[in-house]
Amino acid sequence: SAVISQKPSRDICQRGTSLTIQCQVDSQVTMMFWYRQQPGQSLTLIATANQGSEATYESGFVIDKFPISRPNLTFSTLTVSNMSPEDSSIYLCSVHQGGGYTFGSGTRLTVV
Amino acid sequence: DQQVKQNSPSLSVQEGRISILNCDYTNSMFDYFLWYKKYPAEGPTFLISISSIKDKNEDGRFTVFLNKSAKHLSLHIVPSQPGDSAVYFCAARGLDSNYQLIWGAGTKLIIKP
Repeated sequence: SAVISQKPSRDICQRGTSLTIQCQVDSQVTMMFWYRQQPGQSLTLIATANQGSEATYESGFVIDKFPISRPNLTFSTLTVSNMSPEDSSIYLCSVHQGGGYTFGSGTRLTVV
Repeated sequence: DQQVKQNSPSLSVQEGRISILNCDYTNSMFDYFLWYKKYPAEGPTFLISISSIKDKNEDGRFTVFLNKSAKHLSLHIVPSQPGDSAVYFCAARGLDSNYQLIWGAGTKLIIKP
């Protein structure tokens, strides 16, 4: 299965600023997903990022707040823009490959 | 509306005994179910899955049972080991979901020595 390197693993950010999270995959994958896990809750899908097309956002998530780039089949970024304390969460990237789903190690974001 | 529910936030089990984690779903269009384990500061790792055409799948100490009529699945871990202490997530995928998963809220399993 694919191996994903996700950075940063954690960050503390000031409100109003932006943070870009990166995921590098060790093989080419078509489908990549970005999730948010708020404290004590399940994983919520933010968007699906396929190379060569714009990301598809789920209800409640918009491109201006969570812009995503997918320049090639091994890399993607998620930016959390104009952050507020409500954006404090764990953010995870995931890929679908060979019938299974693999996750990055997550980014724990705290907004103060 | 939660389509995948894990009603037990936590479960404590004696080492060596069986751990049973439960998951209920509401969408009859789900055709594939997965269980993941998550340690703190790590991403979820895949444990076991089951297709809707089966009612049981086994892999070592892990067995998943699917009861389609009850829209219920369970993960059995036997025997439970200290390293099994983690949060367990149930996830489901629909027939026409573009490979997107719907997740339960997770159950924290604590294995007592």
